[in-house]
Amino acid sequence: GQQLNQSPQSMFIQEGEDVSMNCTSSSIFNTWLWYKQEPGEGPVLLIALYKAGELTSNGRLTAQFGITRKDSFLNISASIPSDVGIYFCAGQRSSYKLIFGSGTRLLVRP
Amino acid sequence: DTAVSQTPKYLVTQMGNDKSIKCEQNLGHDTMYWYKQDSKKFLKIMFSYNNKELIINETVPNRFSPKSPDKAHLNLHINSLELGDSAVYFCASSPFRLAGPKNIQYFGAGTRLSVL
Repeated sequence: GQQLNQSPQSMFIQEGEDVSMNCTSSSIFNTWLWYKQEPGEGPVLLIALYKAGELTSNGRLTAQFGITRKDSFLNISASIPSDVGIYFCAGQRSSYKLIFGSGTRLLVRP
Repeated sequence: DTAVSQTPKYLVTQMGNDKSIKCEQNLGHDTMYWYKQDSKKFLKIMFSYNNKELIINETVPNRFSPKSPDKAHLNLHINSLELGDSAVYFCASSPFRLAGPKNIQYFGAGTRLSVL
């Protein structure tokens, strides 16, 4: 099945640093979503993007829907220890099926 | 109140056994899903039901059989469990069937299945 290319695979950063991760695809999507998964829990939606070029913020998180509709990025500013988790991008076309990226594991050093 | 709840949270069983995982959502959503997350954390959809009707059936062995008694419940039955079935299984639900604004999928906490 199709996968999204998500990078980096993992990041180990110092508290207070900014973080950037991205997702690319060989085909276009109508919706890009960013989820966070903490240990022992299911993915929780952070940001949803519905239009090419759209830039949306949720607190310290900012995500953009690429102009080509084949990519998206997520930035986290001034990271804190509770940002630890796995971040997943997901793309969606006209159907309800979500295609997930391989995840970016974020570790934050206090 | 938990929006999407799965039971059990952990399931340890022997190869060859049959087991079921239950999922319930109290969000009033029409569509429910089962996902499998492997050891590398890759999430892949298995099934989706809309108002008790099967709408997605990915390439999944027919040992896996979903059942939706009503639109608030979607259970997953697995026959003749194999070692490779070990994974975390997530249930999810969304308001309706088609993609678009506000049709967000909400996930349960997962069921960690270990087949020995």
